[in-house]
Amino acid sequence: TQLLEQSPQFLSIQEGENLTVYCNSSSVFSSLQWYRQEPGEGPVLLVTVVTGGEVKKLKRLTFQFGDARKDSSLHITAAQPGDTGLYLCAGARGAAGNKLTFGGGTRVLVKP
Amino acid sequence: DADVTQTPRNRITKTGKRIMLECSQTKGHDRMYWYRQDPGLGLRLIYYSFDVKDINKGEISDGYSVSRQAQAKFSLSLESAIPNQTALYFCATSPQGYNEQFFGPGTRLTVL
Repeated sequence: TQLLEQSPQFLSIQEGENLTVYCNSSSVFSSLQWYRQEPGEGPVLLVTVVTGGEVKKLKRLTFQFGDARKDSSLHITAAQPGDTGLYLCAGARGAAGNKLTFGGGTRVLVKP
Repeated sequence: DADVTQTPRNRITKTGKRIMLECSQTKGHDRMYWYRQDPGLGLRLIYYSFDVKDINKGEISDGYSVSRQAQAKFSLSLESAIPNQTALYFCATSPQGYNEQFFGPGTRLTVL
């Protein structure tokens, strides 16, 4: 069993629709990151959230860290084909600089 | 130029062969990591190194070994490759005191 569970595993939507990806755990994390990975490339960091209840916005992407710092969500508004990719959440426990635990990933396909 | 490079990008080998995957970085980061990625399992940590003299096992180190030749170089070896080591392998770096990790483009390894 994975420490971080992502849902859904796969999401296929039409351009212009909204989507939400969830990252859940029974453990508390000091910070949580979201990465996006495109085919043939390594993951690239989108955002880091560190405070319980924190909400961060990156253009059409909204990231939320749960109050108890055990879960997070990523919401994309008016998805575009360029949002297609594998979204990974990763949690850190303890002081900054500790190793990360990754979720299984959510594969998002936005069809034009 | 890429900050984190991996060689080779693709490799097909046979069961029992010794394989070395190499990672180099120009970011000046002390910390380096090796992960493998399998569908639906996200990224799992194989080994990590916080400086040249520090090597630590990750969650799935059996069957793998590493060498940190310099701050900029971190190699992963499979002493005797087996088919269930077929996967995507990623190297990553991070600066001390920060959780953000920077990934290389990955090596696709197939063991027949």
